[in-house]
Amino acid sequence: GDSVTQTEGQVALSEEDFLTIHCNYSASGYPTLFWYVQYPGEGPQLLFRASRDKEKGSSRGFEATYDKGTTSFHLRKASVQESDSAVYYCALSVSNTNKVVFGTGTRLQVLP
Amino acid sequence: AQTIHQWPVAEIKAVGSPLSLGCTIKGKSSPNLYWYWQATGGTLQQLFYSITVGQVESVVQLNLSASRPKDDQFILSTEKLLLSHSGFYLCAWSSDWGGEQYFGPGTRLTVL
Repeated sequence: GDSVTQTEGQVALSEEDFLTIHCNYSASGYPTLFWYVQYPGEGPQLLFRASRDKEKGSSRGFEATYDKGTTSFHLRKASVQESDSAVYYCALSVSNTNKVVFGTGTRLQVLP
Repeated sequence: AQTIHQWPVAEIKAVGSPLSLGCTIKGKSSPNLYWYWQATGGTLQQLFYSITVGQVESVVQLNLSASRPKDDQFILSTEKLLLSHSGFYLCAWSSDWGGEQYFGPGTRLTVL
């Protein structure tokens, strides 16, 4: 079936540290991949999407590259800020369906 | 610009009581609409989606039902609430089949 795996449940970093959140997926068709960010008490916001092999999505200093070979879409940021503290979700939608599968989320805490 | 509104903001209900949650999208014609449920600290579980008025597809069974009475309105309801229905309910819309989704502010439901 279609699934998304985020290996880090929680990440604690200091400001200006480098961030990597791993996302691997399994899809029955041709997926589109997304990263969303959710702040407490709010709905998720889209960071960016990618739908082709080797396509890179980026926003607000975050980036991820769709890698079909390794079925991955890892989120990276070179220098995190305290304001980046939130929960990050990797998600996929499978072509020709309206179903979306979210990963379990990664809670990022950035300490000043 | 499109706006998405959910009501109520929060509800406290008794087990066995009925529930109706609403979602309205303004500024977008014929959107795809979605309902999600999120347990406290949990991931997002897609419940329903709708691509047109009067047509709703169920993704997972949680003793809930959904309806789309108007192009810009999506309703989530149940006749009898369970304790397990507690959580955060999110409505979302998208332009494309399986495309990026834009989430509302959510409704916090507590069932006692």
